[in-house]
Amino acid sequence: NAGVIQTPRHKVTGKGQEATLWCEPISGHSAVFWYRQTIVQGLEFLTYFRNQAPIDDSGMPKERFSAQMPNQSHSTLKIQSTQPQDSAVYLCASSWTTNTEVFFGKGTRLTVV
Amino acid sequence: GDSVTQTEGQVALSEEDFLTIHCNYSASGYPALFWYVQYPGEGPQFLFRASRDKEKGSSRGFEATYDKGTTSFHLRKASVQESDSAVYYCALGDNAGAKLTFGGGTRLTVRP
Repeated sequence: NAGVIQTPRHKVTGKGQEATLWCEPISGHSAVFWYRQTIVQGLEFLTYFRNQAPIDDSGMPKERFSAQMPNQSHSTLKIQSTQPQDSAVYLCASSWTTNTEVFFGKGTRLTVV
Repeated sequence: GDSVTQTEGQVALSEEDFLTIHCNYSASGYPALFWYVQYPGEGPQFLFRASRDKEKGSSRGFEATYDKGTTSFHLRKASVQESDSAVYYCALGDNAGAKLTFGGGTRLTVRP
């Protein structure tokens, strides 16, 4: 079990460019989550899927951010027109279902220059 | 909305010292409470959880007791080791048992 896999581990984008972050959840897990971690805001929930369906995106910025889960083996977080304030570590996590232990990936560090 | 407050931003101890990290929460209903630990370059790792008043969660020598009366879930360990150096996060789960709300984290440094 390789755990939750996130690629790339580091990404540098220019201001205004698009960034796509990838996540492969643990096989068999039905719940997939995205969080963002910054020094100032700490760990913030963004969105989650259950059985590939979007359930709660209450933490997603309404503009420029979108997440998808086209199949049970991967999810993507896309940020359009990246801004310096989007710089953060983006963490993907999965669990067997809700109310069970959540396993986090190592994260993707996004730097917008 | 739900919130979690960790009093200590940083804690520095020597090996074999007693550890307490204070966690207080604000939420409606009866949230599940969690402790996570994060090492450099890694995502947070689940330590343990508790779901009802007076329930004690524990793992790796760490423990915390759910106290609904004081809305607290303080982390304790009787004798810390250098390998315990990490950032510790208290969190609460929403009513659906999905979304986690994290506290600000406490950086623990243990001197040999």
